[in-house]
Amino acid sequence: EVQLVESGGGLVQPGGSLRLSCAASGFMFSTSWMSWVRRSPGKGLEWVATIKEDGSAQFYEDSLKGRFTISRDNAKNSLYLQMNSLRVEDTAVYYCARGHYEMLTGYYFAFWGQGTLVTVSS
Amino acid sequence: SYELTQPPSVSVSPGQTARITCSGHALPKQYAHWYQQKSGQAPVVVIYTDSERPSGIPERFSGSSSGTTVTLTISGVQAEDEADYYCQSADSSGTYWVFGGGTKLTVL
Repeated sequence: EVQLVESGGGLVQPGGSLRLSCAASGFMFSTSWMSWVRRSPGKGLEWVATIKEDGSAQFYEDSLKGRFTISRDNAKNSLYLQMNSLRVEDTAVYYCARGHYEMLTGYYFAFWGQGTLVTVSS
Repeated sequence: SYELTQPPSVSVSPGQTARITCSGHALPKQYAHWYQQKSGQAPVVVIYTDSERPSGIPERFSGSSSGTTVTLTISGVQAEDEADYYCQSADSSGTYWVFGGGTKLTVL
């Protein structure tokens, strides 16, 4: 059974940092592209970042480049999101997602974790 | 940045057909995918690569594509289908992904 379990969310002050983790099981993590997607209160889904299976390339939503860093440890079947210089508007539920990528058909988010809540507030 | 446009809301009675559209200029070149998110739950993919249905998704869910618009169709809508639905695709580079703004499906 595929499982993705996020952790590391919580309350942080504006300008602070937080590191989210995602523990994966039930599939070949080391051959899967992985992503973070968020949903802010009252808003829709927003793609945050994606990383290739071997960590050789990372892709970010334009407005988050420079503040957020996606990484992975295939030996630990874990995905991470380092978030710096956090803003009130970064408040959201952050989801870890297993991606499905094929050159001809593109990329989609095949399976999602339950999410972890990040609240940025003073 | 690239955008996908969806109607904010669609309302149908049980047993009717719901159609949710998604428009974007890169859709003729990039596949689209659809997600269902019920209140308090994680999103679930209901259609991928325009029209493919994952195992476990009811046959009443289908997808189609025409030019710059893709459509999610739910035939014989049931009360349990009430949820937010999002389309997702990529820009022309193929490595910048976006979601539509979401459509709230209300079953009357």
